[in-house]
Amino acid sequence: DAGVTQSPTHLIKTRGQQVTLRCSPISGHKSVSWYQQVLGQGPQFIFQYYEKEERGRGNFPDRFSARQFPNYSSELNVNALLLGDSALYLCASSPAGRNTIYFGEGSWLTVV
Amino acid sequence: DQQVKQNSPSLSVQEGRISILNCDYTNSMFDYFLWYKKYPAEGPTFLISISSIKDKNEDGRFTVFLNKSAKHLSLHIVPSQPGDSAVYFCAAAFMNRDDKIIFGKGTRLHILP
Repeated sequence: DAGVTQSPTHLIKTRGQQVTLRCSPISGHKSVSWYQQVLGQGPQFIFQYYEKEERGRGNFPDRFSARQFPNYSSELNVNALLLGDSALYLCASSPAGRNTIYFGEGSWLTVV
Repeated sequence: DQQVKQNSPSLSVQEGRISILNCDYTNSMFDYFLWYKKYPAEGPTFLISISSIKDKNEDGRFTVFLNKSAKHLSLHIVPSQPGDSAVYFCAAAFMNRDDKIIFGKGTRLHILP
């Protein structure tokens, strides 16, 4: 069975631009979460979606937004990119009502 | 504030010996704990979890111990193998809530030949 898939795997953007990252969850998983991991830190929670509704939001500015589609895939959007947004963005999925989440390979974003 | 703390940034262990990774947490309301393993250029991989109603959970070479009174958990790997060299993240959550999982900063484990 396919795991969580993310695209693109690597991308470079300039300050002020906008980026969209995509995620397809494990088949049968209805919950998708997004995490940001910067070097030397653990993953930090950005958003969680379940059945297309936002269930949780971390301490990130409004420049970060996300949505979940009817097929449970998800997009993370970041506007007005800053150098500090350079990080590994991880998508994770989980079955409904279960706390164990399963990560994709991540999207490496570099802002220059 | 760091609710999940992994105070050892790195650990070196001889192949075949026991690796013990430690984790402390501050929020006594956490009731579910997880360990993830991460290789470079890959996403974290789920290893093992434990709920707060247990004090031990075992899966093959991996055992997690939970000491609720001390707000401390540890991951034991026996015997350690070269493929265990990776960064290990401790994480905490609230059972049956679709909510965030809070991760520590990680401990880099080096298995020495």
